[in-house]
Amino acid sequence: AQSVTQLGSHVSVSEGALVLLRCNYSSSVPPYLFWYVQYPNQGLQLLLKYTSAATLVKGINGFEAEFKKSETSFHLTKPSAHMSDAAEYFCAVTIYSSASKIIFGSGTRLSIRP
Amino acid sequence: DTGVSQNPRHKITKRGQNVTFRCDPISEHNRLYWYRQTLGQGPEFLTYFQNEAQLEKSRLLSDRFSAERPKGSFSTLEIQRTEQGDSAMYLCASSPYRLVQETQYFGPGTRLLVL
Repeated sequence: AQSVTQLGSHVSVSEGALVLLRCNYSSSVPPYLFWYVQYPNQGLQLLLKYTSAATLVKGINGFEAEFKKSETSFHLTKPSAHMSDAAEYFCAVTIYSSASKIIFGSGTRLSIRP
Repeated sequence: DTGVSQNPRHKITKRGQNVTFRCDPISEHNRLYWYRQTLGQGPEFLTYFQNEAQLEKSRLLSDRFSAERPKGSFSTLEIQRTEQGDSAMYLCASSPYRLVQETQYFGPGTRLLVL
């Protein structure tokens, strides 16, 4: 079975500081990994996805994530936080043989301090 | 491309009543998914369709829940005899069917409150 664990339900950083949101996955087969963002009262928007190509994945809004198989991690980073980055972020996993469900983590709420 | 739309956006009902939600996927997306998101949690998969065929159902989808996609376009999710535990955000997503890693595009959700 596949699962993801997001470390830290709430992360607070200052505007301009590095953003680091942690995600560890569990999968018995090669996974596909995603980061989604959810703004208040809105649906989920895909930030980036890893599909077994490059291990460093660049997404929208300056975010990127690195797939590390040895650490079973897929942490999300952004060099400089912006006030508009305040939102809920979800790490998620699926496997290539299951073209259906995505398994989501419990989410990390990112707050940006002025 | 107008995105995935869901109606209504909010629904308040009394325990025991039936409710129905509608999802209109992005046109030409033949896969449609339903998820449920409770407060402070990530979305949980409920079911998905490829065209009009319902191909997978989660164990979360009790007998009180039924989903349809009769013409392979819009979908409805009905909850019968609602319970307070059904209070959640119900999310719909759609994707084209090519490879498994195709992006699922999410709608804004329907927030259900059962009193």
